[in-house]
Amino acid sequence: QQQVKQSPQSLIVQKGGISIINCAYENTAFDYFPWYQQFPGKGPALLIAIRPDVSEKKEGRFTISFNKSAKQFSLHIMDSQPGDSATYFCAARTGGFKTIFGAGTRLFVKA
Amino acid sequence: NAGVTQTPKFRVLKTGQSMTLLCAQDMNHEYMYWYRQDPGMGLRLIHYSVGEGTTAKGEVPDGYNVSRLKKQNFLLGLESAAPSQTSVYFCASRSAGNTEAFFGQGTRLTVV
Repeated sequence: QQQVKQSPQSLIVQKGGISIINCAYENTAFDYFPWYQQFPGKGPALLIAIRPDVSEKKEGRFTISFNKSAKQFSLHIMDSQPGDSATYFCAARTGGFKTIFGAGTRLFVKA
Repeated sequence: NAGVTQTPKFRVLKTGQSMTLLCAQDMNHEYMYWYRQDPGMGLRLIHYSVGEGTTAKGEVPDGYNVSRLKKQNFLLGLESAAPSQTSVYFCASRSAGNTEAFFGQGTRLTVV
């Protein structure tokens, strides 16, 4: 039972372009929405996160947009760079303990 | 600063064999997790622990057992390995007062 749906599965963006990854959730009990970045052969690492009482959060070139009524949130990567090529996971946490992950998006930024 | 360390990094098992994956963290975190990562499935929670001596089931617990005898260690056991358990396993830990989870580098397990 996938509670966090992520799209697209893969994404190719030109250097300098904007990468957009979308996620949708069903459980309104989720109270924390992180994005993780994973490079090949490594474990995921926290990139940026948001709580549902905020509609947008920006950290450098990375922005999360959150739409509570639509139960959707997205990651925008501005001025995408080849070094951003990785797999990105959205996630949602409930009950303070369990984090549910989306299926992941493989991003490739062309130089 | 080791963070979260998983042992071993690679392993090949025959169907029916047993093994234990070890996760060790040196950050004094209360919460620890075991995930499996499969193509197109993201990371799925197997078991987790909110403190020494306590464990709970996640999304996909069948075929796995865990133990948390010491705060810094979280063990994942496979009693009778099956090909469906071929996956990359990740351990993570988190402080009760913090939202960020730290992941190990993963264990690639192949069951033939």
